[in-house]
Amino acid sequence: DQQVKQNSPSLRVQEGRISILNCDYTNSMFDYFLWYKKYPAEGPTFLISISSIKDKNEDGRFTVFLNKSAKHLSLHIVPSQPGDSAVYFCAASKGSQGNLIFGKGTKLSVKP
Amino acid sequence: DAGITQSPRYKITETGRQVTLMCHQTWSHSYMFWYRQDLGHGLRLIYYSAAADITDKGEVPDGYVVSRSKTENFPLTLESATRSQTSVYFCASRLAGTDTQYFGPGTRLTVL
Repeated sequence: DQQVKQNSPSLRVQEGRISILNCDYTNSMFDYFLWYKKYPAEGPTFLISISSIKDKNEDGRFTVFLNKSAKHLSLHIVPSQPGDSAVYFCAASKGSQGNLIFGKGTKLSVKP
Repeated sequence: DAGITQSPRYKITETGRQVTLMCHQTWSHSYMFWYRQDLGHGLRLIYYSAAADITDKGEVPDGYVVSRSKTENFPLTLESATRSQTSVYFCASRLAGTDTQYFGPGTRLTVL
């Protein structure tokens, strides 16, 4: 049973527009969430995180929103750039130092 | 600053052979992790280690063996490779008390 779900395998967005990547989780014990970005032939790199005590965390063009009641989080990228084209993984853990459970990833393509 | 490295980057082997994937980090991070990435599954934790000589199973440990005699190295051994172990393997490390895992570039393993 998948505990972290990214139901959109891919997303295409025009440069300059907003990209919204979604993630759902089923385990109510998860209280820490992270987004990782992965380019082809490279390892994932950390992008942004959020604790369950917050509902929003922002870092430059990247904002993560958390809706605990819906067990849903989303990553907003504004404005989207061609260099943002990558696979984005959502991950969840119990505590900020718990083991990570990853979603399957969403491939974002930002077209010029 | 080498960071975290994996070797080999690509490996082809045959069913039944023993294969060892190497992971080395220069940060003296106490935590190290092994993941596999497969289409349709995202990243799944195989084994992790909280410190030298301390290892623990993750989500998919069957068929794998790890050791951690030195803080900087965390080799993953497939004692008798099977075709189902064809995958991309990522090593990661994390400083104790922090939330961010840093990933290596990955090893693409093909078992024929």
